[in-house]
Parts: sequence; C-alpha cells; structure tokens
Amino acid sequence: AQKVTQAQTEISVVEKEDVTLDCVYETRDTTYYLFWYKQPPSGELVFLIRRNSFDEQNEISGRYSWNFQKSTSSFNFTITASQVVDSAVYFCALSEEGAGSYQLTFGKGTKLSVIP
Amino acid sequence: KAGVTQTPRYLIKTRGQQVTLSCSPISGHRSVSWYQQTPGQGLQFLFEYFSETQRNKGNFPGRFSGRQFSNSRSEMNVSTLELGDSALYLCASSLTVAGYNEQFFGPGTRLTVL
Repeated sequence: AQKVTQAQTEISVVEKEDVTLDCVYETRDTTYYLFWYKQPPSGELVFLIRRNSFDEQNEISGRYSWNFQKSTSSFNFTITASQVVDSAVYFCALSEEGAGSYQLTFGKGTKLSVIP
Repeated sequence: KAGVTQTPRYLIKTRGQQVTLSCSPISGHRSVSWYQQTPGQGLQFLFEYFSETQRNKGNFPGRFSGRQFSNSRSEMNVSTLELGDSALYLCASSLTVAGYNEQFFGPGTRLTVL
C-alpha cells in the first residue's frame, strides 16, 4: 500500500533562514508521481510541483527547490531565504499509476511558521 | 480561467441530518475528486469521478455518496450526519484521469456537525 510520511509536524524559522521539509514515501509501483502542495490559512491547496518516478532531476523554482532521491524514497522540499508569506502547511502526496486511479495519498503535513 | 468552485463554503448541520456539497471543476476538466480533511486523520480520499462514472472510492461508509453530471460538475452527499463528519471537504479537478495530471483544488466546504 502506498504511504507518505512527513515526520516534521511543525517547524519555526526566522525570516531569511533556509528550511527543508522532509517527505518519505512507500510504493510498490515502478511508475508513480510525487507532488507538493501548500495550504495557506485560507484552506485552499495550492499545487507547487509534480515529479514522476523516472525523473530524478532536482528542480529549482525561484526560492523553492526539490530533491528527489529514489534510493532513499525521499522527495524533500527546500525554501531558501524564507519569507513570512511562506507560512503555511505543506503537504507531500503520492499517486500510483498502477492503482487504476489517480487518487492522491497525502502525508500529514508540515506546518511552517516563518517569524519576522 | 476560473478555478475550482465549491458551494457552500460553510455549513452547520445537526446529527442525523443530511447534506449535499457541490463542486464545479475548471472548465475543460473532466475529472473530479473529493477529499476529507480533519485534524486527526489529515487528508483522506473520498471519491474519484470521470465522465459521470465513479472510478474509485476511499474507505468511507456508505453514508458518503457522490455523483458527477454531464457538465463535469459534481456533488457529494452525506446522510445521517455524525459528529465525526465535521471536516473540510475539498474538491479537486484534473484534466484527465492520468496519474501525472496535477489536481487543482477548490477552497473547500467547511462542515460543522453539532
């Protein structure tokens, strides 16, 4: 069965610090997709990135970067020079191609607080 | 392009009542999924619809049901409400049913059962 673990429940950092959010996943499929979503206090989940299991290239988008390592089943998310607007709950999610369904399995989320 | 819309945004019901939540996907999207979010269980998958057909259902009792219309709009219904049904119900739309498609979420309906 698929599973996503976000061991960090809450993280607090001071503005401009770098922060890494951890995500470890379990799946038996060889084809799968990993996602990160951001949930600000308003409640709406905002899509940040998608990665497929065949593409282990790291990705950088502005202050955000993602490190995907199949060897450790991890898909970690780093925010560089954090800002107060980054304060939110961040979810890592997994979708398996072989399940016949694209349902997302989410981790429990990591609440990030950026202190000015 | 308008995003996913959900109505109503807030609902208060009492135990034993039933409730219907509505979701309008992004124009052109044919897939709709529903998720329940609670502090204890986190985000849990409820249903997945594509072309008016339920493709998958999560581990929820039969009191939870849903449907999708020909215009891709979807509704979910919860009958005989229990206190534990209090949650944020999120709808997500996607272009197709392929796993690589990102799902775009609506703002959610916050249901409170008293």
